[in-house]
Amino acid sequence: GENVEQHPSTLSVQEGDSAVIKCTYSDSASNYFPWYKQELGKRPQLIIDIRSNVGEKKDQRIAVTLNKTAKHFSLHITETQPEDSAVYFCAATLYNFNKFYFGSGTKLNVKP
Amino acid sequence: DTAVSQTPKYLVTQMGNDKSIKCEQNLGHDTMYWYKQDSKKFLKIMFSYNNKELIINETVPNRFSPKSPDKAHLNLHINSLELGDSAVYFCASSQRRTSGRLTYEQYFGPGTRLTVT
Repeated sequence: GENVEQHPSTLSVQEGDSAVIKCTYSDSASNYFPWYKQELGKRPQLIIDIRSNVGEKKDQRIAVTLNKTAKHFSLHITETQPEDSAVYFCAATLYNFNKFYFGSGTKLNVKP
Repeated sequence: DTAVSQTPKYLVTQMGNDKSIKCEQNLGHDTMYWYKQDSKKFLKIMFSYNNKELIINETVPNRFSPKSPDKAHLNLHINSLELGDSAVYFCASSQRRTSGRLTYEQYFGPGTRLTVT
């Protein structure tokens, strides 16, 4: 089955700096890669996703890049704000397959 | 307008008891899931149902039994609870195709914090 590894497990940045979280996956057949944000005590929520036919996707201050050859994808958050503090999860799955493999999570702390 | 709801939100019980968690979604989705999130925040899929049929059953003890009476509901029953079952359990739902665009966004419920003493 798929194995998703996520790094770092914790990340502390100063407000205004950029944050990068990296994930690798093992199954080259995986073709959909979402990122979820989970604030303390709340449910995970999708913030951005990317499909394998796209190398990069951007939505305001967040962007995701995908390198299919190397089997890794990354989340980039620019101009971080204290409200970005949360646990971020990457995931990988295959179209028409109902199983999402989640990374182990990254706790991001944005210091004001 | 609650998209995915779970009850109860908190559940405290003793070892050996049997308990159930209920999940309902009003999004019209065809697929529902149960996840377990342990104290280290790791999200692990337990079960997945598509159109009321079980399609994924991870390595979960058979003390855990999901039941889907219809597409909008997926309940989780746990027999003979153990200390290691303490975790937050999330229900989620998704739809394979929305308005001609493939999407796999999963909508999570608020979670049920289960504490076994």
